[in-house]
Amino acid sequence: NAGVTQTPKFQVLKTGQSMTLQCAQDMNHEYMSWYRQDPGMGLRLIHYSVGAGITDQGEVPNGYNVSRSTTEDFPLRLLSAAPSQTSVYFCASSLRGDTQYFGPGTRLTVL
Amino acid sequence: SQQGEEDPQALSIQEGENATMNCSYKTSINNLQWYRQNSGRGLVHLILIRSNEREKHSGRLRVTLDTSKKSSSLLITASRAADTASYFCATDAVLSWGKLQFGAGTQVVVTP
Repeated sequence: NAGVTQTPKFQVLKTGQSMTLQCAQDMNHEYMSWYRQDPGMGLRLIHYSVGAGITDQGEVPNGYNVSRSTTEDFPLRLLSAAPSQTSVYFCASSLRGDTQYFGPGTRLTVL
Repeated sequence: SQQGEEDPQALSIQEGENATMNCSYKTSINNLQWYRQNSGRGLVHLILIRSNEREKHSGRLRVTLDTSKKSSSLLITASRAADTASYFCATDAVLSWGKLQFGAGTQVVVTP
């Protein structure tokens, strides 16, 4: 199993550009989440999903969209990038009430 | 808001010593998870402890949970230089399955 994979590893955007961060898992987990980590801080939840077709907002959802058409994939879309979205983004998946497994992260810089 | 708060924020010890860090949280939980993060890297899962458990062990790691005090502790015994990392607790709150809330972490430095 590859576990949780994320692409790209690094990305530089200009203010106002849009992009999609990809996340995939091959463990048949129903729960998937997106977090961001800013310097010196823990992770904060952006959006999460409890199954295909079901998504909900986390603590810091503004400026991000998600959809989940399959169990395996959970892309995160930045609609109009802002410098405040410079961060490291982590995707995670789990079974209900079980260990969350994290991807390697995407380091995003918005100029 | 961050549900989990780790204490201390930073810890410096020598190889062979034990390292203890604590986590406090605010609301009732289903489980609490501890993660390690090496500088600039991803999160590695260490231990999950459920709300009906009081203690768990994994190798040199020992985690305790006191739901009455809403607190947990992580003990690393006989520390090694490779244990240098940031350690985070994350809570899975009741009625919020899968929505982990992280503390700011404890930065541990182990010197040879």
